[in-house]
Amino acid sequence: NAGVTQTPKFRVLKTGQSMTLLCAQDMNHEYMYWYRQDPGMGLRLIHYSVGEGTTAKGEVPDGYNVSRLKKQNFLLGLESAAPSQTSVYFCASSPGTESNEQFFGPGTRLTVL
Amino acid sequence: SQQGEEDPQALSIQEGENATMNCSYKTSINNLQWYRQNSGRGLVHLILIRSNEREKHSGRLRVTLDTSKKSSSLLITASRAADTASYFCATDRGSSGSARQLTFGSGTQLTVLP
Repeated sequence: NAGVTQTPKFRVLKTGQSMTLLCAQDMNHEYMYWYRQDPGMGLRLIHYSVGEGTTAKGEVPDGYNVSRLKKQNFLLGLESAAPSQTSVYFCASSPGTESNEQFFGPGTRLTVL
Repeated sequence: SQQGEEDPQALSIQEGENATMNCSYKTSINNLQWYRQNSGRGLVHLILIRSNEREKHSGRLRVTLDTSKKSSSLLITASRAADTASYFCATDRGSSGSARQLTFGSGTQLTVLP
């Protein structure tokens, strides 16, 4: 099993450009999450999904949109990138059981100029 | 806002020594989890302790939880150079409709010197 994969690994955007980050998991997990990690800080939740076709806002949702059309995929979109969105983005999935252990992807390093 | 805060922010020890990291949080929790992050990588789950547990072991890891003080500690015994990483605590408040969200602290950077 590949676990959680993220595409792309690196990306540089200019202010105002748009892009989509793809997260895929092969563990049949119900829950999926998008986080951002900034230097010296922990992870902050952007959006999450509790199942196919559902999405919800996390702690820092502004400037981002998400979609979960298929159970195994969770897409994060930036419609008009801003320098404040320069960060490392992590996707995670969880089976949704009582323990809620989360499994993380390797991250996408995004720079917005 | 960050639910968990780790202490210290950075810790440097010699190989073979024990490393202790602390985490404090603000509200009641369902469970508390510890994760490790190697440089440039995603987080990896280490251990989970439920709110009704006080201590848990997994290999060289020992976690304690004091819900009255809203704090937890992670002890790594007989540390190795490969333990060099950032360690994060994450709290699960388990509230309904929260999709079991985890709130992460800012992490402790552990360096184990050979």
